[in-house]
Amino acid sequence: DAGVIQSPRHEVTEMGQEVTLRCKPISGHDYLFWYRQTMMRGLELLIYFNNNVPIDDSGMPEDRFSAKMPNASFSTLKIQPSEPRDSAVYFCASRWRDEQFFGPGTRLTVL
Amino acid sequence: QKEVEQNSGPLSVPEGAIASLNCTYSDRGSQSFFWYRQYSGKSPELIMSIYSNGDKEDGRFTAQLNKASQYVSLLIRDSQPSDSATYLCAVNEGDNYGQNFVFGPGTRLSVLP
Repeated sequence: DAGVIQSPRHEVTEMGQEVTLRCKPISGHDYLFWYRQTMMRGLELLIYFNNNVPIDDSGMPEDRFSAKMPNASFSTLKIQPSEPRDSAVYFCASRWRDEQFFGPGTRLTVL
Repeated sequence: QKEVEQNSGPLSVPEGAIASLNCTYSDRGSQSFFWYRQYSGKSPELIMSIYSNGDKEDGRFTAQLNKASQYVSLLIRDSQPSDSATYLCAVNEGDNYGQNFVFGPGTRLSVLP
């Protein structure tokens, strides 16, 4: 298996633009997580899904953030409109038993 | 607000020495404890999980848990330069994941050749 796949790996955009991050979890994993990592705040859980259903989105910072999982093999995290303070590395992870497997991350820079 | 605390480091140890990484947590209801390693510019990877008080060994790694003291540690024996990374402690209440799953800020370890 190729592991968790994320795209794009790097994204540079201007403030106010819409940003969409994509994730393909490992086949057969029933949980999917979106994290954000910054130097100031560390690794923060934004939202997670179980069997494609959003379970807990209490970590989503604002209404500008939304996430979907239309099927077991694909999820998106959207930021609209983006702001400079959204600049971070965004990780997607999927879970097998008690182990989370992280994707390589998307480094987002909002100018 | 559930908190997980770690010394940010850097913790520097000579090659071959034992590296000791510490983590404290605030929620007494926490049941699951994890250590992740993150190399610079890479994603976190799980190296140890522990659920019961005491020690758990896996190769050169030993995780120690003391729920009464709300303390979990990771020992790395015979440290190698390749162990140089940031080590993240994660704590969860129960066996489900969600807002109760919290990562610490990480401790940066540097193993000097």
